[in-house]
Amino acid sequence: GAVVSQHPSRVICKSGTSVKIECRSLDFQATTMFWYRQFPKQSLMLMATSNEGSKATYEQGVEKDKFLINHASLTLSTLTVTSAHPEDSSFYICSLGTGGNEQYFGPGTRLTVT
Amino acid sequence: GENVEQHPSTLSVQEGDSAVIKCTYSDSASNYFPWYKQELGKRPQLIIDIRSNVGEKKDQRIAVTLNKTAKHFSLHITETQPEDSAVYFCAASFHTGTASKLTFGTGTRLQVTL
Repeated sequence: GAVVSQHPSRVICKSGTSVKIECRSLDFQATTMFWYRQFPKQSLMLMATSNEGSKATYEQGVEKDKFLINHASLTLSTLTVTSAHPEDSSFYICSLGTGGNEQYFGPGTRLTVT
Repeated sequence: GENVEQHPSTLSVQEGDSAVIKCTYSDSASNYFPWYKQELGKRPQLIIDIRSNVGEKKDQRIAVTLNKTAKHFSLHITETQPEDSAVYFCAASFHTGTASKLTFGTGTRLQVTL
């Protein structure tokens, strides 16, 4: 299957600052990528669908101005959490959609906002 | 949109026993049903999936059944081992020919005791 990497794996930032998370597809053209958020002991919740060369589609309740998604190439999608607050602390996971049914998940990024 | 319910939330079995996790979905258009295993701090790992044109699928100790009429699907793990201990998520999606969104269940924490 496709190989997806994320960077950083862990990040700690101060409240009010912005954090960028990178999601890379290493061996597959990533036309579509998905961003999920997972709070402790909870399920994965889809935040947005990222399409190469176009604007991301956000799920209901997800603030597009707070969670900026850029997908300018077929190998990289980025999620920027702007003006982060402690309630944004979570596990952020991206996945690659290959056009088939299966999604290939990145290893996740643990964000802690102090 | 799609809603996926999953039961039980926690499940404790003795090594060698079977474990069954059940999910229901709401959108009759959903046609792809994967199951994921997630260990603490790791990405979800696909363990088995089933498509709507199939009623049952088996892979060694793992099997999945689908009842489209009742909108139920279940994961069966036989001869459980301590390394099966993890959180399991079911999911559902409707595949349209391009990458499709997954809706996850709430998760089941499986504990296999010696």
